[in-house]
Amino acid sequence: GAGVSQSPSNKVTEKGKDVELRCDPISGHTALYWYRQSLGQGLEFLIYFQGNSAPDKSGLPSDRFSAERTGGSVSTLTIQRTQQEDSAVYLCASSLLGGITDTQYFGPGTRLTVL
Amino acid sequence: AQSVTQLGSHVSVSEGALVLLRCNYSSSVPPYLFWYVQYPNQGLQLLLKYTSAATLVKGINGFEAEFKKSETSFHLTKPSAHMSDAAEYFCAVVISSGSARQLTFGSGTQLTVLP
Repeated sequence: GAGVSQSPSNKVTEKGKDVELRCDPISGHTALYWYRQSLGQGLEFLIYFQGNSAPDKSGLPSDRFSAERTGGSVSTLTIQRTQQEDSAVYLCASSLLGGITDTQYFGPGTRLTVL
Repeated sequence: AQSVTQLGSHVSVSEGALVLLRCNYSSSVPPYLFWYVQYPNQGLQLLLKYTSAATLVKGINGFEAEFKKSETSFHLTKPSAHMSDAAEYFCAVVISSGSARQLTFGSGTQLTVLP
């Protein structure tokens, strides 16, 4: 497809389990971003990739959160030992060159529920 | 640090009436400002962005916004609301210096359009 895709669309897990969330950016987009949307915190930045490198990881809330990007394309966000406060919608976005004013195109998100 | 404040978490207008959604920014350096819309169970879609080229910015779906430095505002307007405009709207800022690329979002305004 032409847009950003994310999988799964919904994920229910038990507290303490690890989860992996996947993002497929728009083909040719060099920059990729992860955000989290929750009722209590609103929309928060997590991490930004330029190519396969992550120059800005400042938004990752704890060392349980990690992300990687391979081949300058697909990215995976991993949450280890999930906690109930990790429940949120995880949004991925991509932009063509990662410029400051580049439009970020968002995927539909993955809704994570931690029981 | 830069931030945006959206006044009014919920706004209701009648179909055909003026839509005004407020956004004020705080930034020590010239900001770049964005308005995104989110329809239920979907990702965010860019409505318009201010990149210093022109203070009055026209976007999709008949929306526009004016950057007013003296008021530190970037309010979103539409002359005549349509039922399909019902959604949540987010104002966001990116600082214009440094390596940061992430969007910092306001808390969002839920727009209801009454028939």
